[in-house]
Amino acid sequence: NAGVMQNPRHLVRRRGQEARLRCSPVKGHSHVYWYRQLPEEGLKFMVYLQKENIIDESGMPKERFSAEFPKEGPSILRIQQVVRGDSAAYFCASSPSNTDRGLGSPLHFGNGTRLTVT
Amino acid sequence: SQQGEEDPQALSIQEGENATMNCSYKTSINNLQWYRQNSGRGLVHLILIRSNEREKHSGRLRVTLDTSKKSSSLLITASRAADTASYFCATGGDSNYQLIWGAGTKLIIKP
Repeated sequence: NAGVMQNPRHLVRRRGQEARLRCSPVKGHSHVYWYRQLPEEGLKFMVYLQKENIIDESGMPKERFSAEFPKEGPSILRIQQVVRGDSAAYFCASSPSNTDRGLGSPLHFGNGTRLTVT
Repeated sequence: SQQGEEDPQALSIQEGENATMNCSYKTSINNLQWYRQNSGRGLVHLILIRSNEREKHSGRLRVTLDTSKKSSSLLITASRAADTASYFCATGGDSNYQLIWGAGTKLIIKP
């Protein structure tokens, strides 16, 4: 069984360009989460999506950032007009369900995309 | 403010020794999860412990949860070089996406 696949592993962009990060969840998983991680820090939640729906994007800046999880194909995190402060590792995770009452199922993570803005 | 704060920030021990990492949190939780992250890789789930559980084991891992003290500990027994990684706790509310992550404990196992 393939795990969460993220590509590219490394992405270098000049200031002002667009960055497009892809995530294919575990087969059968319908919930996708995007996180950002700076060196020596924990994960910061960005957005939670189910197929064709954005459920919560409260952790994502309203400008320049967008995410989608279409019916077919991978989830995409898009950063327009990148700035140096966008340099970070971006992780995608998936889970099969969000059970109620907080009995969360473990998250399955990809190996991340390391974005460097020059 | 940040939940799931781990301590120590870094821990260096000899192979074969036990490693203990702690996690403190501030608000009520439904579950607490521990993850491992090897350098340059994604996080790998280790153990999930629910708020009505006090202790859980998985192989060489033992997790305890004290809801009265709002703290959890992760014990790795008989450490190996392959255990070298960063360890994170994440505290859960009603949904997975509300998990709040600590900054992690960096564990180094010296051969």
